Amino acid sequence: GEDVEQSLFLSVREGDSSVINCTYTDSSSTYLYWYKQEPGAGLQLLTYIFSNMDMKQDQRLTVLLNKKDKHLSLRIADTQTGDSAIYFCADPKENTDKLIFGTGTRLQVFP
Amino acid sequence: NAGVTQTPKFRVLKTGQSMTLLCAQDMNHEYMYWYRQDPGMGLRLIHYSVGEGTTAKGEVPDGYNVSRLKKQNFLLGLESAAPSQTSVYFCASRDYGYTFGSGTRLTVV
Repeated sequence: GEDVEQSLFLSVREGDSSVINCTYTDSSSTYLYWYKQEPGAGLQLLTYIFSNMDMKQDQRLTVLLNKKDKHLSLRIADTQTGDSAIYFCADPKENTDKLIFGTGTRLQVFP
Repeated sequence: NAGVTQTPKFRVLKTGQSMTLLCAQDMNHEYMYWYRQDPGMGLRLIHYSVGEGTTAKGEVPDGYNVSRLKKQNFLLGLESAAPSQTSVYFCASRDYGYTFGSGTRLTVV
């Protein structure tokens, strides 16, 4: 199948780290994406990781990829209220020209 | 350079009415996509196009039609709207990466 799964909600205190998890079924993609959707807005590409990498760090963001378990995670360090949004992992099915999204994780940051 | 522009941004339809959502991109991208977003279900692909004059079905194509007569435009049509089509619709175009429009919120009553 083409399932990409995420937990629906995550609530963290400001200043703590957030970890958003994603599992996928198809391991043939060259890279995997994380998108961020702020309230009332479209999707913006947050970061991506190539499938030949285990980890990618970009300022407060760390992406971990476990290809054996088909598990992708996004860690946000020092989470801020401005990080409150829905986060989607996405798997580009390159052989089919489709981008398949997970269900999205709503991150709520409280003071 | 506006990226991907969707019109309208909001619309309320009565059951059985028809409408067309317009997506326009100015990046000369070949690939264009229509998604719908529903709570707890993420974004699901409705239809997509890999170039001018081509269209293909996605995960949830029933009740929708599309056309790609010009490379820069991808139209999504609802012939007879149903309440189940109440959703937020996103268009995207792709080159090496995907660029999304800001969405169209459609309510069918």
